[in-house]
Amino acid sequence: SAVISQKPSRDICQRGTSLTIQCQVDSQVTMMFWYRQQPGQSLTLIATANQGSEATYESGFVIDKFPISRPNLTFSTLTVSNMSPEDSSIYLCSVEGQGTTEAFFGQGTRLTVV
Amino acid sequence: KNEVEQSPQNLTAQEGEFITINCSYSVGISALHWLQQHPGGGIVSLFMLSSGKKKHGRLIATINIQEKHSSLHITASHPRDSAVYICAVFNTDKLIFGTGTRLQVFP
Repeated sequence: SAVISQKPSRDICQRGTSLTIQCQVDSQVTMMFWYRQQPGQSLTLIATANQGSEATYESGFVIDKFPISRPNLTFSTLTVSNMSPEDSSIYLCSVEGQGTTEAFFGQGTRLTVV
Repeated sequence: KNEVEQSPQNLTAQEGEFITINCSYSVGISALHWLQQHPGGGIVSLFMLSSGKKKHGRLIATINIQEKHSSLHITASHPRDSAVYICAVFNTDKLIFGTGTRLQVFP
């Protein structure tokens, strides 16, 4: 199994500012996933982050808006840039069990942009 | 049409009731997850299934691969079971999520 520490757990931010969300995993993992969950919606994959390479973004998400770092096999950050109220969501990081289809999630970051 | 559909969207129950949440999917999968999301947003994995049935405490999950359907059952429900329950399928290295079922159990 994997234990993920995600922070902050919540934040209220002014529009136009940026917020960086951190995820720390207690074991080395190849891929880390970042999701967004807008109010009343299902989780949507933003990007997949591999160590040592640029993140792979899903359709509708761009690096300038959601830059991701993956400096090592246990850590990743997602930045929500130039925020607007439409960015108010829960953001979650996730990893897969090594060689399995198990999924482990962080505690989530509830972001409110005012 | 969503690739993963859950029903019902909302569910209220009295403590002690037997609860069933359903999930249907339209894509090929290698595994199906049942997840529990707490009010703060954090998600806990309850089950991962590729066939048959699994049981953990008061929770039971079943999957029928031929019918592309899974159910999550909660026996003797309790107010602490109140949460959003999400079905997610693993398809070509990616998880596809249902929109969730919001369960409220009243004492």
